[in-house]
Amino acid sequence: NAGVTQTPKFQVLKTGQSMTLQCAQDMNHEYMSWYRQDPGMGLRLIHYSVGAGITDQGEVPNGYNVSRSTTEDFPLRLLSAAPSQTSVYFCASRPLDSRAYEQYFGPGTRLTVT
Amino acid sequence: GQSLEQPSEVTAVEGAIVQINCTYQTSGFYGLSWYQQHDGGAPTFLSYNALDGLEETGRFSSFLSRSDSYGYLLLQELQMKDSASYFCAVNQAGTALIFGKGTTLSVSS
Repeated sequence: NAGVTQTPKFQVLKTGQSMTLQCAQDMNHEYMSWYRQDPGMGLRLIHYSVGAGITDQGEVPNGYNVSRSTTEDFPLRLLSAAPSQTSVYFCASRPLDSRAYEQYFGPGTRLTVT
Repeated sequence: GQSLEQPSEVTAVEGAIVQINCTYQTSGFYGLSWYQQHDGGAPTFLSYNALDGLEETGRFSSFLSRSDSYGYLLLQELQMKDSASYFCAVNQAGTALIFGKGTTLSVSS
């Protein structure tokens, strides 16, 4: 199993550009989520999904869109990048019936918006 | 909404014991989780407490008091490799995991 994979590892965007961060998992997990991590701010939840066709907003959803057409994939779209979106983005997944709510994280995408 | 408070930094020496506290405010509490993150890498799961009491996993233990909305992570026999950031987290409505801002642990020799 590859676990949770994210692409790209690094990305530089100009203000106003759009892009999609990819996230895939091969563990058949129903639940997937996106976080951003900024210095001193911990991990903040952007969007999450409990299954294909179902998504919901987290703590900081503005400026981001998600969709979940398959169990495996959960892409995060930046509609019009802003310098405030410079961050490290982590995708995570877990089974919905996990007793310990143990989440598996991808390696992250380091995004810089200039 | 949810909020979690934990110290921003803790320092200790090798072989010592350190306790990282976490207080939380949340509606619909399902349990308290702990994650470890080395140098900005992928966070990894350490432990989970749904009920009051102590859970032990090797050198690490986690404690929960639901009545006090309080928990802690206890690290024993500290090693240099334990230098990392540690996050407590609570579940929002039993699904989404909300994290605290993290505690940076520095272990010196």
